[in-house]
Amino acid sequence: KQEVTQIPAALSVPEGENLVLNCSFTDSAIYNLQWFRQDPGKGLTSLLLIQSSQREQTSGRLNASLDKSSGRSTLYIAASQPGDSATYLCAVLAGNQFYFGTGTSLTVIP
Amino acid sequence: GAVVSQHPSWVICKSGTSVKIECRSLDFQATTMFWYRQFPKQSLMLMATSNEGSKATYEQGVEKDKFLINHASLTLSTLTVTSAHPEDSSFYICSARGTSGSLSFGPGTRLTVT
Repeated sequence: KQEVTQIPAALSVPEGENLVLNCSFTDSAIYNLQWFRQDPGKGLTSLLLIQSSQREQTSGRLNASLDKSSGRSTLYIAASQPGDSATYLCAVLAGNQFYFGTGTSLTVIP
Repeated sequence: GAVVSQHPSWVICKSGTSVKIECRSLDFQATTMFWYRQFPKQSLMLMATSNEGSKATYEQGVEKDKFLINHASLTLSTLTVTSAHPEDSSFYICSARGTSGSLSFGPGTRLTVT
């Protein structure tokens, strides 16, 4: 069974710093990997989608990489801002099922 | 594109009553929709997978007679919490799978049972 892990569980950084969130999965047979952010009491917002054939995707200050063979993905956030404070979740699509990580709670201190 | 809406966004009901939550894909057709619940400061817990025109597949431990799911069209799935109790109070979120395999989430419904 696919297991998805995110490290760290919580992260606090001063504004302006670059940071990396990690996501690992146990089975490399995935269809795609998706990064989301969730603000308190809200639904999930899709940030980046990486198909299994791709190695990275970029959107603004966000860059996500995928290494299927090692079962890892990273989300890089450049020049962090207080508005980036949220919980970040990664999810892999394997078979016809999505598997979610436990999330990383990010706090960017002004 | 790939917008999913949920209605209502929050609801308060009395114990013993039933509550229906709607999930709609606004600009795409979703053959598969998913229902989750989330407790405070916890990750999403998949409740069931809803396929258009067929019965939903429930996760282990989720009572199908209590959480009724109907996916009557390619753009609408409903979750009905029957005979709600205070322990059913939670944040319910739906998602829909697009043709690219991406997942789009609704904004969630906060259910409070008094």
